[in-house]
Amino acid sequence: EAGVVQSPRYKIIEKKQPVAFWCNPISGHNTLYWYLQNLGQGPELLIRYENEEAVDDSQLPKDRFSAERLKGVDSTLKIQPAELGDSAVYLCASSLSVGETQYFGPGTRLLVL
Amino acid sequence: AQRVTQPEKLLSVFKGAPVELKCNYSYSGSPELFWYVQYSRQRLQLLLRHISRESIKGFTADLNKGETSFHLKKPFAQEEDSAMYYCALSGPSGGSYIPTFGRGTSLIVHP
Repeated sequence: EAGVVQSPRYKIIEKKQPVAFWCNPISGHNTLYWYLQNLGQGPELLIRYENEEAVDDSQLPKDRFSAERLKGVDSTLKIQPAELGDSAVYLCASSLSVGETQYFGPGTRLLVL
Repeated sequence: AQRVTQPEKLLSVFKGAPVELKCNYSYSGSPELFWYVQYSRQRLQLLLRHISRESIKGFTADLNKGETSFHLKKPFAQEEDSAMYYCALSGPSGGSYIPTFGRGTSLIVHP
């Protein structure tokens, strides 16, 4: 079992460009989470999916961020346009159900120039 | 709003010394509490959760509802314990379910 897979691992873009991150959770995990982690801080939830339904997305900046999990399996997080302050690590995690142990991917480190 | 506080950004000890990483939480209800660990160049992973009441790698954590704390302890630190440790809380709140993490404590165990 590969665990939670994320790609790309690193991304460097110029401000105002779009960027997308992909996540494949552990098979059978209904709950998928996207987190933002700034340097020196803990992960902060952006959005949580229960199967294909987006729930708890109140912390997602919807003017520039969007996410989807069309078939209830893998998920994509997009930023358009990116700003300098979006530079951070974007983590994906999955769990069997909400409140259960989360399994994290390696993260995508984004640098916006 | 729920909150997790890890007051120490850095904890430095010598091998064999006892370790206590502090975690305090704010939550109106019965929380699910976790400790996650991130070793160098590895992904974040579960260390232990209070509901299982297990001891993992010699670490234990007791939920103290009166003091709203979930401190992580180990009687004798090892060099391989050096890592970032995050305390996390999960629980329903106002119709939402937003897992909340502390800012993390970096543990360095010197030989």
